Amino acid sequence: SAVISQKPSRDICQRGTSLTIQCQVDSQVTMMFWYRQQPGQSLTLIATANQGSEATYESGFVIDKFPISRPNLTFSTLTVSNMSPEDSSIYLCSVENPTGYGYTFGSGTRLTVV
Amino acid sequence: SQELEQSPQSLIVQEGKNLTINCTSSKTLYGLYWYKQKYGEGLIFLMMLQKGGEEKSHEKITAKLDEKKQQSSLHITASQPSHAGIYLCGADTNNQGGKLIFGQGTELSVKP
Repeated sequence: SAVISQKPSRDICQRGTSLTIQCQVDSQVTMMFWYRQQPGQSLTLIATANQGSEATYESGFVIDKFPISRPNLTFSTLTVSNMSPEDSSIYLCSVENPTGYGYTFGSGTRLTVV
Repeated sequence: SQELEQSPQSLIVQEGKNLTINCTSSKTLYGLYWYKQKYGEGLIFLMMLQKGGEEKSHEKITAKLDEKKQQSSLHITASQPSHAGIYLCGADTNNQGGKLIFGQGTELSVKP
């Protein structure tokens, strides 16, 4: 399976500020996926990040709020901008395993906005 | 309604008992993935199923896919406290790879 290092593991942020979450993968991957898990809810896909092109956002998510960078095939960042308490969630990145068997998720970033 | 329904939502079993969790999709399944999540943590990949009738095992956990019914079941034999956690099914319903939808999860508690 792929190994993902996701940082930070948790943070408490003031409303109106921004937080950037990083995911580093131990192998080169074409696509990286960013998910959100709101309290008590399941995971929802935010966007798909391809290297060398703009991320593709799912319905309900916009680039201005969740800008994504994908500078190379092993790294991506998700920024949560102008945060409000409603952004308090766990954010996770995901990649397909090099074997093609399943998808590995990062350990998650637990964000609390106060 | 949810595109991917899991049942039950929560389950409390006595150690050593067997249990089954179900995951039903309202759309065609191109891939079905089972994960385990400890509270507030990341997801641990358990198994992936793609073909109707397929059955996979991981230690004491077995998952099956009924393609016609668009349903998967996860069965744990002789449950242990280490099996406790939230079990999530994820599905590829667009055949686009990686864009998974997830069920609401089943919270499993195992009483010693």
